Amino acid sequence: QVQLVESGGGVVQPGGSLRLSCAASGFTFSSYGMHWVRQAPGKGLEWVAFIRYDGSNKYYADSVKGRFTISRDNSKNTLYLQMNSLRAEDTAVYYCAKDHVGGATTYPDYWGQGTLVTVSS
Amino acid sequence: QLVLTQSPSASASLGASVKLTCTLSSGHSSYAIAWHQQQPEKGPRYLMKLNSDGSHSKGDGIPDRFSGSSSGAERYLTISSLQSEDEADYYCQTWGTGIPHVVFGGGTKLTVL
Repeated sequence: QVQLVESGGGVVQPGGSLRLSCAASGFTFSSYGMHWVRQAPGKGLEWVAFIRYDGSNKYYADSVKGRFTISRDNSKNTLYLQMNSLRAEDTAVYYCAKDHVGGATTYPDYWGQGTLVTVSS
Repeated sequence: QLVLTQSPSASASLGASVKLTCTLSSGHSSYAIAWHQQQPEKGPRYLMKLNSDGSHSKGDGIPDRFSGSSSGAERYLTISSLQSEDEADYYCQTWGTGIPHVVFGGGTKLTVL
């Protein structure tokens, strides 16, 4: 069965950096696009970033463009999110999600359980 | 701009049916969407992809009680024979080739009475 397990969350000061990881199993990771989606406390879902199955295309929400970088290592079945210049408004649970297809953004068909990032001094 | 609009809340009685609505912004009435469920304190779960013609394909293990339909720019999620575990937040989501590439609706909080 498909499993997505996020890690790397924690408390970081404003302006700091953090790298999230998502370990994937139960499917051919290298064949599917992947997303990061976040949810601020008490709020709805907000799409953050997408990466194509081969890493050749990456898309970002305007709110994180230039500060966050999505990447993947298909040899390790792992998705990453490098978060720099963090702000208080980046505080959220971050979910990794598998896209239904490989080459373009469509919809997540499997989700992880999330990892909490708190940006606070 | 691609926007999805959902009512913030809905309620229905145990064993009854409920129909949740997601409305696509002007000019986007042909778009497909996906419905996702988020039970309290859990990660989201994909329910189904719903096309503009009302055809839909459900995720693994999603009960027959969940169905989708479409009319114009509106996309619906119907849950029949409501159970207590259906009490959750329901999000619609769509995608495009422009910016933003992926959009979520604001979510509907369903209360089962």
